[in-house]
Amino acid sequence: GAGVSQTPSNKVTEKGKYVELRCDPISGHTALYWYRQSLGQGPEFLIYFQGTGAADDSGLPNDRFFAVRPEGSVSTLKIQRTERGDSAVYLCASSPGRTSGYEQYFGPGTRLTVT
Amino acid sequence: SQQGEEDPQALSIQEGENATMNCSYKTSINNLQWYRQNSGRGLVHLILIRSNEREKHSGRLRVTLDTSKKSSSLLITASRAADTASYFCATSGPGTYKYIFGTGTRLKVLA
Repeated sequence: GAGVSQTPSNKVTEKGKYVELRCDPISGHTALYWYRQSLGQGPEFLIYFQGTGAADDSGLPNDRFFAVRPEGSVSTLKIQRTERGDSAVYLCASSPGRTSGYEQYFGPGTRLTVT
Repeated sequence: SQQGEEDPQALSIQEGENATMNCSYKTSINNLQWYRQNSGRGLVHLILIRSNEREKHSGRLRVTLDTSKKSSSLLITASRAADTASYFCATSGPGTYKYIFGTGTRLKVLA
C-alpha cells in the first residue's frame, strides 16, 4: 500500500519568507509526528498529533512554527519568517497508534533550505 | 532530558561479522524502538521493545533491554553490505508517545 508522502521534496526559500510543508500519512493511522533532522544528527522531535489534536507540541522551537491536522489525516507544518537556522530535513511519520505501541512509518522528508 | 545516546558513534566491520550497538537513556521509559536510516533516505522501523520486556528477535536482529541500567543493545548477526546504514534508538516516557531519538550509530559493513 501507499506509504507516507511529503511534499515538496525540496524547498528553497529566502530568509523571512513563509513556508508550508505537507504530510500525507498512511490511511487509517491515528498518530502523526513531525521531526527535523540536521546532517549527522538524529531526528529532533517537533510535535505529534493524536487524531486532530496536538498531543504534544513541546518540541516546536518557537512561535514561528505551527502545525495543523484539521481532519485527522493530512498535516501541514507552517514556518513563518524563516531563518537560515531552520534549514534541515523535515520528516513526517505516521503510526497506527496504541495497538502497535506507536511504531512509526516515516516519509522521505522535505529538505528545506533557507538562503 | 530523555535523549538516548548510541555507542559507538561509528562502527566498521567485515561482512559476515556481528555488529552490536548500544543505546543509553536517562529517565524511565514506556518503550524503546530501533530504526535504520540508509544514506539520504527515510527511517525504517526495526523493532519495538516494551519496558516490561527484556529481549526481542526479528530475523537477524536481536534487541535487549536492561531498565535497571537504562540501556538497550541491538545485535545484527551475519552482517551484509546492505546493512550499512545509521541506526537510531528512540524512547518514549511513561504516559506519553512523544519519542526522543538518539544521536545514532553509523555502521559500515565491508564486502
